[in-house]
Amino acid sequence: AQKITQTQPGMFVQEKEAVTLDCTYDTSDPSYGLFWYKQPSSGEMIFLIYQGSYDQQNATEGRYSLNFQKARKSANLVISASQLGDSAMYFCASNTPLVFGKGTRLSVIA
Amino acid sequence: EAQVTQNPRYLITVTGKKLTVTCSQNMNHEYMSWYRQDPGLGLRQIYYSMNVEVTDKGDVPEGYKVSRKEKRNFPLILESPSPNQTSLYFCASKGTSWQETQYFGPGTRLLVL
Repeated sequence: AQKITQTQPGMFVQEKEAVTLDCTYDTSDPSYGLFWYKQPSSGEMIFLIYQGSYDQQNATEGRYSLNFQKARKSANLVISASQLGDSAMYFCASNTPLVFGKGTRLSVIA
Repeated sequence: EAQVTQNPRYLITVTGKKLTVTCSQNMNHEYMSWYRQDPGLGLRQIYYSMNVEVTDKGDVPEGYKVSRKEKRNFPLILESPSPNQTSLYFCASKGTSWQETQYFGPGTRLLVL
């Protein structure tokens, strides 16, 4: 079964710096998708970025990019130019089947 | 506006008193699911539905029931709530393509005394 591992329970980053949140997955299915969600303290789940297993290029969405290394089975989220509003829980998830990691709490320091 | 709605947003109840959390989506999505979120455990799937009248168990279905009589609605039923069901619950929906992201409702915070 698919398993998503986020090894960093918490991370700190200085405002305006870049930060990488780790995610590894474990699947034998050749077709899969990986997602990142942000959960601020208010509780809602916000979709950030998606990477499909057949996508040739790493996904990017504004300040978010995905460092997808298929051979290593990793899909790390990179946030550039961190802002105070980026402080939140971040979840990595797969879609075949739908499984979430345990999350990483990011704190951005002024 | 495309959205998933859940009601109530907050609920305090007592052990054994049946409750229903409603979930509705306006995107004509076939797939709907329920998750619970607990500290240190991430989100775990309770039940999901691939379409009307089709439901299946997720990872933690014990103590929960669901129904899918209409495409837009997917209520979560706790027949006899217990304190270990105190949690944050999310409803989500998506289309049938495996590449589609899920859209989440705002969450329901449940406290069972």
